Amino acid sequence: DIQMTQSPSTLSASVGDRVSITCRASQSISSWLAWYQQKPGEAPELLIYKASSLESGVPSRFSGSGSGTEFTLTISSLQPDDFATYYCQQYNSYPYTFGQGTKLETK
Amino acid sequence: EVQLVESGGVLIKPGGSLRLSCAASGFTFSNAWMSWVRQAPGKGLEWVGRIKSETDGGTTDYAAPVNGRFTVSRDDSKNTLYLQMNSLKTEDTAVYYCTTGQRTMVRGILGLKHYYYYMDVWGKGTTVTVSS
Repeated sequence: DIQMTQSPSTLSASVGDRVSITCRASQSISSWLAWYQQKPGEAPELLIYKASSLESGVPSRFSGSGSGTEFTLTISSLQPDDFATYYCQQYNSYPYTFGQGTKLETK
Repeated sequence: EVQLVESGGVLIKPGGSLRLSCAASGFTFSNAWMSWVRQAPGKGLEWVGRIKSETDGGTTDYAAPVNGRFTVSRDDSKNTLYLQMNSLKTEDTAVYYCTTGQRTMVRGILGLKHYYYYMDVWGKGTTVTVSS
């Protein structure tokens, strides 16, 4: 199975900050990576697919980059609604696997 | 509007069986690949299993912890996805999400088709608690 490792596990930031979350795969997954946002008590929502493609309706302050084994989710200017938990997920091969999550909290 | 509504989650004893349902609307269900993803209390997301459309073979894949105990199936006449869960364990306690998604087809060197499928729509989930 492909292991996905996110860092950091927790990120403290303020509104207006630029933040980045890293996701590393245990083997190459090309660009077959998705990013999700999840708020407490809610289902995850897709932000990014194919490593850097922005899902329709997602604000342009979210962006994704990377290929192979290292990927980054960047939020260019944090908004109050962005404080949530973020997950990466590889869909290169089965079983699909998720990172452990990064909780973005208010500093 | 694309909508997925899960049902069937209950409190059940270890060793029991349970079937979850997911009612789909707003898209052509028969063409869709569908998955189940779960989330244990306070934990991260775990992919459970996927079923392809019947036109793509209707085949299934599962995560190791549920392989042989869980079965994903579909009834295209009812626009409904199912998750049959047998020999339940306490570690199966989780919110179970139904998802659908998009797929990209890539042809390999030998001309074989390979599909890459990501999950873009999620239901709100149904809670399964396995406890004595």
